[in-house]
Amino acid sequence: GDSVTQMEGPVTLSEEAFLTINCTYTATGYPSLFWYVQYPGEGLQLLLKATKADDKGSNKGFEATYRKETTSFHLEKGSVQVSDSAVYFCALTPGGNMLTFGGGTRLMVKP
Amino acid sequence: SQTIHQWPATLVQPVGSPLSLECTVEGTSNPNLYWYRQAAGRGLQLLFYSVGIGQISSEVPQNLSASRPQDRQFILSSKKLLLSDSGFYLCAWSRRGGRWHEQYFGPGTRLTVT
Repeated sequence: GDSVTQMEGPVTLSEEAFLTINCTYTATGYPSLFWYVQYPGEGLQLLLKATKADDKGSNKGFEATYRKETTSFHLEKGSVQVSDSAVYFCALTPGGNMLTFGGGTRLMVKP
Repeated sequence: SQTIHQWPATLVQPVGSPLSLECTVEGTSNPNLYWYRQAAGRGLQLLFYSVGIGQISSEVPQNLSASRPQDRQFILSSKKLLLSDSGFYLCAWSRRGGRWHEQYFGPGTRLTVT
């Protein structure tokens, strides 16, 4: 079945550091890929998405590129802020109604 | 615009007591509805989903049940809570149709079973 694997956290960075959170997936066909963010005590919010190979999703300074050849969708940001501290979830849907989530990666940004 | 509500926001219940969590969606019709649980320090687990009134699919066997009495209302229930039911419960909705779907999440209910 479909699955999503994320790097284990927590990831601890200093403010203005470069961020990469790795995400790889296993799926049949051509899934759509998502990054969700969960701030402390809140529900998940869609951060960005990509629906086909080589698409780049971007939002709030975050980017991720759909790499079909490596089955990856790594999340990057050039300069993180303390307010980016949250849990980040990579997810996919093969085109139906179901989302498959990775285990989440906690990001802690120190001033 | 669409909004999704969950209540209560927090709940502390003793072991063996019943549970009822409610989720409602506004501003859309015929949504797909989902219940997820997030245990402490763990990822999201899909518990139930519904594609229409009275249509419930269960993803994992457990102590919980779900019902959809109205198009935009989704209820998560238990007759007798277990300690292992503690967690953060999230309701979500998505639109019908299209090649892909985005899910929109509610603010969640934090349940502590004591």
